[in-house]
Amino acid sequence: AQSVTQLDSHVSVSEGTPVLLRCNYSSSYSPSLFWYVQHPNKGLQLLLKYTSAATLVKGINGFEAEFKKSETSFHLTKPSAHMSDAAEYFCVVSDGGGATNKLIFGTGTLLAVQP
Amino acid sequence: KAGVTQTPRYLIKTRGQQVTLSCSPISGHRSVSWYQQTPGQGLQFLFEYFSETQRNKGNFPGRFSGRQFSNSRSEMNVSTLELGDSALYLCASSLVPGDTYEQYFGPGTRLTVT
Repeated sequence: AQSVTQLDSHVSVSEGTPVLLRCNYSSSYSPSLFWYVQHPNKGLQLLLKYTSAATLVKGINGFEAEFKKSETSFHLTKPSAHMSDAAEYFCVVSDGGGATNKLIFGTGTLLAVQP
Repeated sequence: KAGVTQTPRYLIKTRGQQVTLSCSPISGHRSVSWYQQTPGQGLQFLFEYFSETQRNKGNFPGRFSGRQFSNSRSEMNVSTLELGDSALYLCASSLVPGDTYEQYFGPGTRLTVT
């Protein structure tokens, strides 16, 4: 079965410092992995996705993630945090080998950005 | 292009009642999925529809049902509401199923059961 584990429920950084949100995955086959962001009272927005192409994936708003098969990890990073990055971030794996839209969400990481 | 629309945005119901939530996908999108978001259980998959057919169902009791119409609009129904059904219900649409096409999420319907 597919699953993802987000290692931190809360992360706090100062504006202008790097962001690291950690995610490990478990999959019986080559997974499709995603990061979604949810701002307060708003829907989910796709930040980036990995679907077995380049292992370093660049997304919107300066975020990127690296797929590491040996570590079963898909950590999200950003070189410099902005106040507008404060939100909840979800690591997600696709269930069904890429043929369905069923997504399995991690428990989320709440990112706080201090001025 | 308009995004995914969910109606109503907010709903208050009493235990034992039933409720119907509606989702209108982005124009041209034929795949619709539903998710339940609660503080305790997080985001959980409910259903996936494509061309009026349910392709996947999550681990929810039979009180939860859904359907998709020929214009791709989808509805989900919860019968005999329980307090634990209080949640944000999110709908997502994509052109067709599969990871090639991005899923776009609506703003959700906030259901409160009293």
